[in-house]
Amino acid sequence: AQKITQTQPGMFVQEKEAVTLDCTYDTSDQSYGLFWYKQPSSGEMIFLIYQGSYDEQNATEGRYSLNFQKARKSANLVISASQLGDSAMYFCAMREGFMKTSYDKVIFGPGTSLSVIP
Amino acid sequence: DSGVTQTPKHLITATGQRVTLRCSPRSGDLSVYWYQQSLDQGLQFLIQYYNGEERAKGNILERFSAQQFPDLHSELNLSSLELGDSALYFCASSDPALGSGSYEQYFGPGTRLTVT
Repeated sequence: AQKITQTQPGMFVQEKEAVTLDCTYDTSDQSYGLFWYKQPSSGEMIFLIYQGSYDEQNATEGRYSLNFQKARKSANLVISASQLGDSAMYFCAMREGFMKTSYDKVIFGPGTSLSVIP
Repeated sequence: DSGVTQTPKHLITATGQRVTLRCSPRSGDLSVYWYQQSLDQGLQFLIQYYNGEERAKGNILERFSAQQFPDLHSELNLSSLELGDSALYFCASSDPALGSGSYEQYFGPGTRLTVT
């Protein structure tokens, strides 16, 4: 079963507009972490934002915010004021089993390709 | 710059050969993760080491092995290489010894392996 689902293989957004990239996850752990990464065409994986399962506030980092809805098991990434440099693949990931021997792992979703249009 | 280093950046080798990929984690991080990213399989978790010990295993083939050394750098060994092993291999690190309690994970630039 898919643990991380990103239902939007490709998205387009106008420059300066906001965009939401969807992510849903599945875990039975109470303690877990959710991440978003950006992978531009150059290939590097850039850490964007992190949300812990016990964090009550939604995480924000500059133009990035994570819309965390724990009951719905969703962790959507919101990018405000899109820029041309935001064009990239975006991966949602989950770490569960934190520090539990043989269980601690990070699982990535299939990614969403975002294209910012001038 | 994430602080995670990987060498080499590119590697071209022939089928049947063996290669070693090297990773140095961010200063103070105890965990090292290895991932394989190929076009058809996406980003696959291979294996995790924590402070020198294997912590978790993912979709790692028996032809692949890894270890983490006392200085916390890690090596991923790929043997009997096949065309399908061509991929981008990432190392990531997390879990600083003086932990903040967060699960953040930082990636190295990757090693692009081409098997011909």
